[in-house]
This record gives sequence, structure tokens and C-alpha cells, in this order.
Amino acid sequence: EVKLVESGGGLVQPGRSLKLSCAASGFSFNDYWMGWVRQAPGKGLEWIGEINQDSSTINYTPSLKDKFTISRDNAQNTLYLQMSKLGSEDTAIYYCARAPMGMDAWGQGASVTVSS
Amino acid sequence: DIQMTQSPSSLPASLGERVTISCRASQGISNNLNWYQQKPDGTIKPLIYYTSNLQSGVPSRFSGSGSGTDYSLTISSLEPEDFAMYYCQQDASFPLTFGSGTKLEIK
Repeated sequence: EVKLVESGGGLVQPGRSLKLSCAASGFSFNDYWMGWVRQAPGKGLEWIGEINQDSSTINYTPSLKDKFTISRDNAQNTLYLQMSKLGSEDTAIYYCARAPMGMDAWGQGASVTVSS
Repeated sequence: DIQMTQSPSSLPASLGERVTISCRASQGISNNLNWYQQKPDGTIKPLIYYTSNLQSGVPSRFSGSGSGTDYSLTISSLEPEDFAMYYCQQDASFPLTFGSGTKLEIK
């Protein structure tokens, strides 16, 4: 069974950083592109970015490119999202997803709240 | 960036009814259009990829069609579990973009 489990969410102060993890199991992690999507409270889905199998290509939505960094550790079957200079607008549920045909598997999401 | 315009934003419907949700891209996306379902608890389920291909385990009452800039998701006969949010997404070019969503609700 394909499984994606996000962790690392929580309450963070404005201006601080936070790193999310996504543990993958049930498939050959290093064969797939992986990505992150977020959803602010009461809003729609926003694509953050995707990383290819060997980390040689990473694409971001332009508005987040300078704040967020996607990385992966194929030995640990783990995807990461490093978020910096967080503001209230970054309060959201953050989902990781596998990305071969569309995004064909999703995690349950990690909640991030930016507040003082 | 490619903008995705989804309609309607809200769709009241009855059990057993046939419904269609539309998605229009701001430029041609060559069938690179996917559909997702989101339940109130936040769970996201992939439904369709590349316009018309059902993801594994998706019931055959779901279908997708379209070309160029115009795409649609059809549910042939609504079941209780189908009342949820639906999103389209283009993956023709980066950055990938989603439609604003359609809330399918019980009439």
C-alpha cells in the first residue's frame, strides 16, 4: 500500500522557519517525482513545487520560490519542505504527493499555523 | 502561468443525478488535466489523470473529457459519498495550477 505521512507541522512565530517531512512507503520512492501542495483555511489547493527523482530538477510556484525549499533523501524515503520567513499567509495544511500521472497519492496533511 | 477557471463554484444535486463540472484553461494544455476529490476531513483522492484516465479504484460513474482549453468531469449517477469538493489541475507546464474548486452538495 502506498503511504505518505507528513510530520513537523505546528505553531510557529512569524519570521521563523519550519521544516516538514513526508515519509513514503509502499513504493519505490526513488522512481518518482514528488511534490507539495498547500491549502489555507477555507481556500483552494495551491501547488508549491515538485522535485524529480535525483533532485536535479526542482520546480516552484514563483511566489514561493524564495521562501520554500524542497529536497529529498532517497535513502530515507523522505521528502522535505523547508519553509523560511513564515508569515500569517503561510498558515495552511501542507500535503505531500506522488507525482507521476497527475498527483496519484496524497498524504493526510500537516497543519502549520503562523502566529505570535 | 496558466489560469484554471472552474465552474460552477457550487452545485446542488440529488442522489442518482448526472452532474458535470467544467474547467477552462487560459491557454491550451494538450489534455494535461487532472481531477481530484476532497472530503470535508481534508482527505484528497485523485480521480482522473490526462483528461479521461481513471485512477486506480475510482468507480466507473466518474468520467472526464475535453481538449484544448475546455475540460469536464462527469458523475453519471450521484452516490452519497460523492458529495465533496472537486478540483481540476493542469500539469502541462510549470507552475502547475489548480482550479478554484466546485462544492458538490446535496439539494
